[in-house]
Amino acid sequence: DGGITQSPKYLFRKEGQNVTLSCEQNLNHDAMYWYRQDPGQGLRLIYYSQIVNDFQKGDIAEGYSVSREKKESFPLTVTSAQKNPTAFYLCASSEIAGLGADTQYFGPGTRLTVL
Amino acid sequence: GQNIDQPTEMTATEGAIVQINCTYQTSGFNGLFWYQQHAGEAPTFLSYNVLDGLEEKGRFSSFLSRSKGYSYLLLKELQMKDSASYLCAPMDSNYQLIWGAGTKLIIKP
Repeated sequence: DGGITQSPKYLFRKEGQNVTLSCEQNLNHDAMYWYRQDPGQGLRLIYYSQIVNDFQKGDIAEGYSVSREKKESFPLTVTSAQKNPTAFYLCASSEIAGLGADTQYFGPGTRLTVL
Repeated sequence: GQNIDQPTEMTATEGAIVQINCTYQTSGFNGLFWYQQHAGEAPTFLSYNVLDGLEEKGRFSSFLSRSKGYSYLLLKELQMKDSASYLCAPMDSNYQLIWGAGTKLIIKP
């Protein structure tokens, strides 16, 4: 089955700790994205990557870091510098980056709670 | 700036028809997406419009007017499982999606 997986579904961390959220896709998509969703707000783009070993900051990249060492994987690290990390984190992928309006498909999400 | 405007919440009756409106302002335009998001879950793709007019897909249809910066999602023969949030997301000139806060649709029996 092709798709996007995110793990874990729920994550709890103490304040001041870094945490890494996993995102894997087997759709052979070039582009991958990380969004954050807070109650009552639209999705906000954190980082995106159009090709392996390259990624770009989105609107709210501060306090986050990513890597794209493999086409299939795009992990997100929430660092202790992120002031308000508790949120629902969504990973998405799309087939061809930058050549048209490609549909983004989402993983199931990780709900991070920082205590 | 870039802006999306959708009603926060709508209520409809099972079996009826509902229209969810979306107005937008973006820097450039490369089409508009509609997604459905059930509570606690990820968004799922419903439709994409890049040209003016109506696109029909089963019980769901989506309309676009580029000159008016306006789109709507039309849901027919409403079912209880259609209770969800509906997200309007135009794509700007950089091929980035601009997300509205979504419209929460409540279906009553």
